[in-house]
Amino acid sequence: QQQVKQSPQSLIVQKGGISIINCAYENTAFDYFPWYQQFPGKGPALLIAIRPDVSEKKEGRFTISFNKSAKQFSLHIMDSQPGDSATYFCAARPPGNQFYFGTGTSLTVIP
Amino acid sequence: DAGVTQSPTHLIKTRGQQVTLRCSPKSGHDTVSWYQQALGQGPQFIFQYYEEEERQRGNFPDRFSGHQFPNYSSELNVNALLLGDSALYLCASLELAGGFHEQFFGPGTRLTVL
Repeated sequence: QQQVKQSPQSLIVQKGGISIINCAYENTAFDYFPWYQQFPGKGPALLIAIRPDVSEKKEGRFTISFNKSAKQFSLHIMDSQPGDSATYFCAARPPGNQFYFGTGTSLTVIP
Repeated sequence: DAGVTQSPTHLIKTRGQQVTLRCSPKSGHDTVSWYQQALGQGPQFIFQYYEEEERQRGNFPDRFSGHQFPNYSSELNVNALLLGDSALYLCASLELAGGFHEQFFGPGTRLTVL
């Protein structure tokens, strides 16, 4: 049973464009929603995270939008660059520190 | 600060064998989690160690066991290896930030079971 559903599986975006990745969850006990970036041969690295009491969080070119009523959250990458090409994972955590990850989105930014 | 380190980088075993993977957390971190990441999938939580005790466990069989040492480093042991155990095994150490535990991942150990 997938606790966090992520889409799309893969995404191709032109340099300078906006990349959007979506996630949905069912467990209303989740209280922390991070996004991770993973390059080949590396472990995931925390990119940005949000709590459910906030509807949007922005850090540089990365923005999380959070819709509590719809139980959905998304990552927006503005002005996408070839260096952003990586696999992105959303995750969610209920109180207790066990993180549930989405299945990942492979992003390719073409010059 | 070396961050989270894991060894070995790669490992090849045959079915039925046993394997031990090692992790050193980021300096000052006392909590370690282990994840299994199958090819093309997101990480799946195996278990978490704190103060040398297993604090939480995901949906993995007893063939998966672990240990945490007084210096907070940790081991993951897998017995009776199956082909399906082939995956990237990730260790993460946790840091309390803003009231939440944020995870810092190591580069992983790629296990291949033949």
